[in-house]
Amino acid sequence: AQSVTQLDSQVPVFEEAPVELRCNYSSSVSVYLFWYVQYPNQGLQLLLKYLSGSTLVKGINGFEAEFNKSQTSFHLRKPSVHISDTAEYFCAVSGTGGYNKLIFGAGTRLAVHP
Amino acid sequence: DSGVTQTPKHLITATGQRVTLRCSPRSGDLSVYWYQQSLDQGLQFLIQYYNGEERAKGNILERFSAQQFPDLHSELNLSSLELGDSALYFCASSVATGGAYEQYFGPGTRLTVT
Repeated sequence: AQSVTQLDSQVPVFEEAPVELRCNYSSSVSVYLFWYVQYPNQGLQLLLKYLSGSTLVKGINGFEAEFNKSQTSFHLRKPSVHISDTAEYFCAVSGTGGYNKLIFGAGTRLAVHP
Repeated sequence: DSGVTQTPKHLITATGQRVTLRCSPRSGDLSVYWYQQSLDQGLQFLIQYYNGEERAKGNILERFSAQQFPDLHSELNLSSLELGDSALYFCASSVATGGAYEQYFGPGTRLTVT
């Protein structure tokens, strides 16, 4: 079984500051890793994903994440946030086999202040 | 716009009633997933269909059922509704089944049980 822990339920940050949203996972098998964003009253949108290869993954809107197998982490970073980045961010894992149900973390609410 | 459509957008009903939520996947996608998002349980996988057949089941209650039709749209049926079933229900679709295939999420159906 897999599980995901997002270490911060809320992260307040000022505009143009850097941000890191932390995610740790647990799994007895290989996994794929994802970050999704949910804007108010909208569905989830994929920011980036790690399937294999380079451990540094770049996504949309200037976000990137680093897969660390030894620490079972997949932290999301952005060097300079904008007001429009205010949203809920979800880390998720899925198995690498034929079934790809997503297991989500509890979410981190990023609040960007002017 | 992900290309996944869900109807209705909002649904208000009473305890004990039965409702049907509808999802149309992106054109060409064979796999449909249902997720429930609630304040106490977070985002949870319910069930997956691939080309009309059930492929995976999560923590779906016996009062809930789903199916995928030959035109690939899917319906989630919720019966004997309880207050705790109030949640946002998302449908997602992907071209195939397997962790490497991105899931595209619809805007969700917000169910309120009174």
